[in-house]
Amino acid sequence: ILNVEQSPQSLHVQEGDSTNFTCSFPSSNFYALHWYRWETAKSPEALFVMTLNGDEKKKGRISATLNTKEGYSYLYIKGSQPEDSATYLCAPIYGSARQLTFGSGTQLTVLP
Amino acid sequence: DVKVTQSSRYLVKRTGEKVFLECVQDMDHENMFWYRQDPGLGLRLIYFSYDVKMKEKGDIPEGYSVSREKKERFSLILESASTNQTSMYLCASSFGLAGVNELGTDTQYFGPGTRLTVL
Repeated sequence: ILNVEQSPQSLHVQEGDSTNFTCSFPSSNFYALHWYRWETAKSPEALFVMTLNGDEKKKGRISATLNTKEGYSYLYIKGSQPEDSATYLCAPIYGSARQLTFGSGTQLTVLP
Repeated sequence: DVKVTQSSRYLVKRTGEKVFLECVQDMDHENMFWYRQDPGLGLRLIYFSYDVKMKEKGDIPEGYSVSREKKERFSLILESASTNQTSMYLCASSFGLAGVNELGTDTQYFGPGTRLTVL
């Protein structure tokens, strides 16, 4: 089973603050990385899928970068809002593994 | 919009009972998945199915079995429930398979989850 680490495990920020968190994963045989957002009492929803080293994806105030050589991805949220409160999950894919391996997530709470 | 539904949001069962968790998707997806989520452990794959009647073990299949008789329905079965199977269970579906089909088609769409308590 692959070791996918997300840090921090949880954080609290004030509304309006910008924040970022990390997904670290083994770089060998890497194929692609998914990011999901999971709000309380809802279903996880896909945010991004990234594959190339140096990839950057953006969706509104949320963006993500990817470094496949060193095995990490950053997720950034600019000007956090209470509705951004959720657990953010990353899931790398390796080779033709056919399955996603999820990290344990970063739980973000944005305080009004 | 893709819709994935699960038969129950909350379920309480007794040790030794046979438990069925049902999942239905309405987007004609080939692939369906069962995960469990426990605090601090993220989503762990139990089983997945890439076609009707086809299944493959995930990372933690012990104590579980699955059934996929129709494309839209994927069932998770706990033959004899135990207290260590108390967890949140999530079903997901996707059009493509990670690492096999075009990137992006492997995006998974999740159901709302079933919180199972085994007493």
